[in-house]
Amino acid sequence: GNSVTQMEGPVTLSEEAFLTINCTYTATGYPSLFWYVQYPGEGLQLLLKATKADDKGSNKGFEATYRKETTSFHLEKGSVQVSDSAVYFCALSGRNTPLVFGKGTRLSVIA
Amino acid sequence: DSGVTQTPKHLITATGQRVTLRCSPRSGDLSVYWYQQSLDQGLQFLIQYYNGEERAKGNILERFSAQQFPDLHSELNLSSLELGDSALYFCASSVEGSKNEKLFFGSGTQLSVL
Repeated sequence: GNSVTQMEGPVTLSEEAFLTINCTYTATGYPSLFWYVQYPGEGLQLLLKATKADDKGSNKGFEATYRKETTSFHLEKGSVQVSDSAVYFCALSGRNTPLVFGKGTRLSVIA
Repeated sequence: DSGVTQTPKHLITATGQRVTLRCSPRSGDLSVYWYQQSLDQGLQFLIQYYNGEERAKGNILERFSAQQFPDLHSELNLSSLELGDSALYFCASSVEGSKNEKLFFGSGTQLSVL
């Protein structure tokens, strides 16, 4: 079945550091890929998505590229801020299967 | 604010009891999803409804059931509760339930079974 594996946290970075959170997936067919973010005490919200191979999703300085050859969708940001502290979830959705999430990576950014 | 409303925010109950969690989707959204979030299992998909009909089923226990009503709100019923059912339950909604769509999540119901 479909599954997502992402790096376990927590990840602690200093402000303005470079961020990478790795995500790989297993799926049949051509899934759509997503990153969702969960701030403390809130529900998840979509950060970015890519619906086909080589697509790059981007939002708020975050980027991720759909790599079919390596079945990956790594999240990157060039310069993190304290306000980026949250839990990040990689997810995929197939033709007849709703969103399947990775276990989440907690990011803490310190000033 | 995502537009998805979940009630109650917190629920404390005892083992063996039954509870009902309620979700109102965003205006215009026809599809509703239920997810369970726990520390050890992460976010697990439970069930999806589209316009009142069940569309997809995930790791939902037989003790759990759900439905979507004609006004599109949904309820998740959990019965014969066990300690391990303690978790954060999220509802999400989307317009059509297709694979490329963004899901809008509520703030969740924190269930504590004592």
